[in-house]
Amino acid sequence: DGGITQSPKYLFRKEGQNVTLSCEQNLNHDAMYWYRQDPGQGLRLIYYSQIVNDFQKGDIAEGYSVSREKKESFPLTVTSAQKNPTAFYLCASSTRNTEAFFGQGTRLTVV
Amino acid sequence: RKEVEQDPGPFNVPEGATVAFNCTYSNSASQSFFWYRQDCRKEPKLLMSVYSSGNEDGRFTAQLNRASQYISLLIRDSKLSDSATYLCVVNPSGGGNKLTFGTGTQLKVEL
Repeated sequence: DGGITQSPKYLFRKEGQNVTLSCEQNLNHDAMYWYRQDPGQGLRLIYYSQIVNDFQKGDIAEGYSVSREKKESFPLTVTSAQKNPTAFYLCASSTRNTEAFFGQGTRLTVV
Repeated sequence: RKEVEQDPGPFNVPEGATVAFNCTYSNSASQSFFWYRQDCRKEPKLLMSVYSSGNEDGRFTAQLNRASQYISLLIRDSKLSDSATYLCVVNPSGGGNKLTFGTGTQLKVEL
């Protein structure tokens, strides 16, 4: 089945640690996105990539980093510079001017 | 002005009611528009795309008004299962692919 897979579903991070969230898609989509959602809030764009080896900052990129070495994969690293990382992280993919398909999300909690 | 704006609600309506949501966007060059539904603690899922001529899918009707730069979603004969947050999504760049989400409108359908 084609789709987009995020892992892990739940992640706990100690203060000062970097953690990496995985996002893989087999839909052959060019564009991939990372969003952050806080409780009761909308989606905010962290980074997006329209093509392999290229990505752009979204509205809240500080404290995050990404890579796009393969079309299928767009991992997100939450660095220790992100002061309030506890949130629901959503990865999505799309082709040009079409709808986005989402993974099931990763809930990150700082302990 | 935000790129995409929605009334956050909540809209509390009785079962069987008709309810309408509006969403305004700031970039007049925007090319594609969508409505997504998000259930609590889940990923957003596409409800319907919005076409210039308007489109209907069962109890749901979407409209686009380019002159006034807004899209709308009409839900007729509301069901309890329609309770969710409805997200307006716009691709503002036209030639590229940077989907921008509104903060969502919460709908609660009650007995």
